[in-house]
Amino acid sequence: AQSVTQLGSHVSVSEGALVLLRCNYSSSVPPYLFWYVQYPNQGLQLLLKYTTGATLVKGINGFEAEFKKSETSFHLTKPSAHMSDAAEYFCAVSNYFGNEKLTFGTGTRLTIIP
Amino acid sequence: DAGVTQSPTHLIKTRGQHVTLRCSPISGHKSVSWYQQVLGQGPQFIFQYYEKEERGRGNFPDRFSARQFPNYSSELNVNALLLGDSALYLCASSSPGTGHEPQHFGDGTRLSIL
Repeated sequence: AQSVTQLGSHVSVSEGALVLLRCNYSSSVPPYLFWYVQYPNQGLQLLLKYTTGATLVKGINGFEAEFKKSETSFHLTKPSAHMSDAAEYFCAVSNYFGNEKLTFGTGTRLTIIP
Repeated sequence: DAGVTQSPTHLIKTRGQHVTLRCSPISGHKSVSWYQQVLGQGPQFIFQYYEKEERGRGNFPDRFSARQFPNYSSELNVNALLLGDSALYLCASSSPGTGHEPQHFGDGTRLSIL
């Protein structure tokens, strides 16, 4: 079984400030971890993924995330927030057991304050 | 290259009716997955198909069914619609799956049940 917990359904940061979105996972086997972003009335866009190897993963739009096995965490960060970052962010976990089922968290809505 | 395309974009049905949603994957992708996203929640896995075979099924009633065609496009069918079926239905495709290949999402079909 696998699950994802995203702490904070709403996060507000000032433009130019650090963005930190939290994600903790539960998985009985080594996980594959993903962050997706969803803009209003759109589907999900992949920001970054962790499968194996380097635990610090860089994604698009200046985002990065670090896989910490000991803390079962995969928090998303960006050094300097931009107005265009305002969106809903979803953390997801999967593993390989013959299917690619993604289990998503409930999402975090990021608001950028001018 | 075209991304994942879904049709229709919006649909209004009444309780008890049947609906068919369609999805065309990215060219070269053989795996298609369906997700249901209820307002304010993360997407929930419904089905995955790979090479026209069902590879995974989420915790949804038998009213939900799907199939994949030789050209790898897919249909999701829902019978006896309930008010609770109102949601955004997302289709995702990926190249031959090992679980760590990222899934690419379409913009979804928004289904409203009256």
